[in-house]
Amino acid sequence: DVKVTQSSRYLVKRTGEKVFLECVQDMDHENMFWYRQDPGLGLRLIYFSYDVKMKEKGDIPEGYSVSREKKERFSLILESASTNQTSMYLCASSFAPGSHYGYTFGSGTRLTVV
Amino acid sequence: QKEVEQNSGPLSVPEGAIASLNCTYSDRVSQSFFWYRQYSGKSPELIMSIYSNGDKEDGRFTAQLNKASQYVSLLIRDSQPSDSATYLCAVKEFYFGSGTKLNVKP
Repeated sequence: DVKVTQSSRYLVKRTGEKVFLECVQDMDHENMFWYRQDPGLGLRLIYFSYDVKMKEKGDIPEGYSVSREKKERFSLILESASTNQTSMYLCASSFAPGSHYGYTFGSGTRLTVV
Repeated sequence: QKEVEQNSGPLSVPEGAIASLNCTYSDRVSQSFFWYRQYSGKSPELIMSIYSNGDKEDGRFTAQLNKASQYVSLLIRDSQPSDSATYLCAVKEFYFGSGTKLNVKP
């Protein structure tokens, strides 16, 4: 089975801190994605990547950046954490662009910014 | 207008009944559609994908796609309490609805 591993299940950070969320997949998937999930708003795409060193903005990239130095790893960076970034963050991967296989999600990181 | 719309529910059905979950989308050129199940406190997991008009069956689950009307549905036959979860519709891989919460009552 494909595994998508997110490094932390729960995080508490202070306003203004730089926050790194790590995601690793073990099945050589081309595509990787970062979403945040908030009650009533559903899943919103932050950034995605179709290849190493490639990144594309999703619907809500403001306040975030990403890094993909290796195929299996996709990191989300909160440059200066704010309370409105308190959320559940979900990483996902899929086989290839336009894949018909859908996503495999990580278990999520619940981030609280205080 | 949102890319993907779902009724938030909750949808309550008795055990053994058919649960019908619906989703509409705005982009006419969408080609791929997915249904995910998300248990409380867990991440979404893929149930089914569908690309062609008509029905696609997998066990107790049937996905239905009507591109002319821009809707996709998920039917769950013989609903079980273990099916109680939030069901997310996704279009073009990227875009997710807010989900419909399903409660199956014993």
